[in-house]
Amino acid sequence: GAVVSQHPSRVICKSGTSVKIECRSLDFQATTMFWYRQFPKQSLMLMATSNEGSKATYEQGVEKDKFLINHASLTLSTLTVTSAHPEDSSFYICSARDRGGPGNEQFFGPGTRLTVL
Amino acid sequence: DAKTTQPTSMDCAEGRAANLPCNHSTISGNEYVYWYRQIHSQGPQYIIHGLKNNETNEMASLIITEDRKSSTLILPHATLRDTAVYYCIVGGYSGNTPLVFGKGTRLSVIA
Repeated sequence: GAVVSQHPSRVICKSGTSVKIECRSLDFQATTMFWYRQFPKQSLMLMATSNEGSKATYEQGVEKDKFLINHASLTLSTLTVTSAHPEDSSFYICSARDRGGPGNEQFFGPGTRLTVL
Repeated sequence: DAKTTQPTSMDCAEGRAANLPCNHSTISGNEYVYWYRQIHSQGPQYIIHGLKNNETNEMASLIITEDRKSSTLILPHATLRDTAVYYCIVGGYSGNTPLVFGKGTRLSVIA
């Protein structure tokens, strides 16, 4: 299936700093990408839908000024956690649909584990 | 909210078939049934999806009831590597519609 990559896979930062996470679709173009967050022993929670060339749509309860999303190209979306705090420590996962694929499956990246000290 | 109901956990003996049920009684006519799994600390892995007909690929088979209100994912010969959380998700075919995850079923394959 199609490949979605994320970078970095793991990051540790100090409280108050900002962290950028990159999500790339490696072998397909994705006009829409999705960002999820997963806390320990819980399911994935959708944070936002990222559309290439336009503003992201955030789910209720997700602060758009804290979680900045940029989808500058058909293969790259970035999530920046601004002024990170320990409660932002989580597993962040991006996803994209291969609109050109036969099944239109939604493929997921390997995730980025953020630890805020 | 997730539109599916799955058992919290299941066990399966290695080498046997694992049958994971899912109820989706409120599924709409244009919604697909997707199955993903997540191995600890990794991103979800696509398994299979279907609309009405039963589907089979190299990983699994998907059996959808005629009324589409429930489905079963079948792993024909479970191995220890199949131990994971399995998510049944119903969703649209639109590229702009994200998949919404429920709590899934934790499958433990036992030697």
